[in-house]
Amino acid sequence: ETGVTQTPRHLVMGMTNKKSLKCEQHLGHNAMYWYKQSAKKPLELMFVYNFKEQTENNSVPSRFSPECPNSSHLFLHLHTLQPEDSALYLCASSQTTSGLNEQFFGPGTRLTVL
Amino acid sequence: AQKVTQAQTEISVVEKEDVTLDCVYETRDTTYYLFWYKQPPSGELVFLIRRNSFDEQNEISGRYSWNFQKSTSSFNFTITASQVVDSAVYFCALSGIRGSARQLTFGSGTQLTVLP
Repeated sequence: ETGVTQTPRHLVMGMTNKKSLKCEQHLGHNAMYWYKQSAKKPLELMFVYNFKEQTENNSVPSRFSPECPNSSHLFLHLHTLQPEDSALYLCASSQTTSGLNEQFFGPGTRLTVL
Repeated sequence: AQKVTQAQTEISVVEKEDVTLDCVYETRDTTYYLFWYKQPPSGELVFLIRRNSFDEQNEISGRYSWNFQKSTSSFNFTITASQVVDSAVYFCALSGIRGSARQLTFGSGTQLTVLP
């Protein structure tokens, strides 16, 4: 039990669909992250939020739209995705965005784009 | 720029063998943090250890031990008397303290398979 939950665990969508991934952390942390993990590639940081404010956007295409309504919840809204977007999407949280703090990860959403 | 290299893509050992996972890093910072994470088949990354750049003491936690050597920019991870439950992908990661370097830079991971 890491204290970070993600839903859904698996998602299959067509390229014209709109869906959202949800992440919730129960650790009282102030920073939240979205990562993409594709086969045979290192984890790619997508977005960082600190106290609900976006602080990093690593050149992510606009078809991925994050939302952070409060420090405990993070969403990733998906629309008009491409097959190459199929991957494991991991959410994480940490006390702050300081490099000192370890990040705690959720189990991920396995996304397949048809 | 920060970089983490895990040259071993896959390792297979037989149960009870010792195994060492290599990690080499690059950074221009003098203050930085090194991490190891375990990713079992369930998917979530599990934090194992954090080490800061000023603490070169080796650490042991049960069957796990870590060897940090600044002179060679390495932070290797050894599992003693491996067990089938140790089968997972292991990631080494690095973070700095300024700007975007604060974010974790991950290596590509080492898939460890422990055979019964």
